[in-house]
Amino acid sequence: KAGVTQTPRYLIKTRGQQVTLSCSPISGHRSVSWYQQTPGQGLQFLFEYFSETQRNKGNFPGRFSGRQFSNSRSEMNVSTLELGDSALYLCASSLRGDGEKLFFGSGTQLSVL
Amino acid sequence: GENVEQHPSTLSVQEGDSAVIKCTYSDSASNYFPWYKQELGKGPQLIIDIRSNVGEKKDQRIAVTLNKTAKHFSLHITETQPEDSAVYFCAAYTQGGKLIFGQGTELSVKP
Repeated sequence: KAGVTQTPRYLIKTRGQQVTLSCSPISGHRSVSWYQQTPGQGLQFLFEYFSETQRNKGNFPGRFSGRQFSNSRSEMNVSTLELGDSALYLCASSLRGDGEKLFFGSGTQLSVL
Repeated sequence: GENVEQHPSTLSVQEGDSAVIKCTYSDSASNYFPWYKQELGKGPQLIIDIRSNVGEKKDQRIAVTLNKTAKHFSLHITETQPEDSAVYFCAAYTQGGKLIFGQGTELSVKP
């Protein structure tokens, strides 16, 4: 079956703009979580959605938001982009959303200029 | 706060040698500990996991050990091969419902 699909693969934005990233989970998976990956900070948890509800949130400012649709597809949005938002944004899906057996997409590489 | 520390940050071994990566977690209520392998240009991939009620788990050349008292768990790779070269991440699932990752170990296996 198809894996986790993230679009776009690469994105270049300028400071102050906003961006929306998309994630299509594995069919049947109801949980989608998002992570920010940077060389200095590693993998940091952004938020997790299960059946359209945000169940958990990491320590990121309110500029970072997300949502999940009824088909389990998820989007995350970053408003008022800052240079420090440059990172690889990874989406992961799982069946139960209890941290087990996460399947990651290849990520969206965001560069903020 | 919730934290996972991982060591070493880089590890270089000769093909056929063993590699060991160690992690320590802060939340004593953590109950699930996966290990992920990330190759260049790809997302992390689960390679092995262990629950808190088990002390050791093995899958072919890969094994994980857990010491709940010390809040410490380790990944052991035996008979390393060049294709084992990648970045490895440990993680702990906290009582607060978050999967917290270590900083990663870049493993290089030299032929």
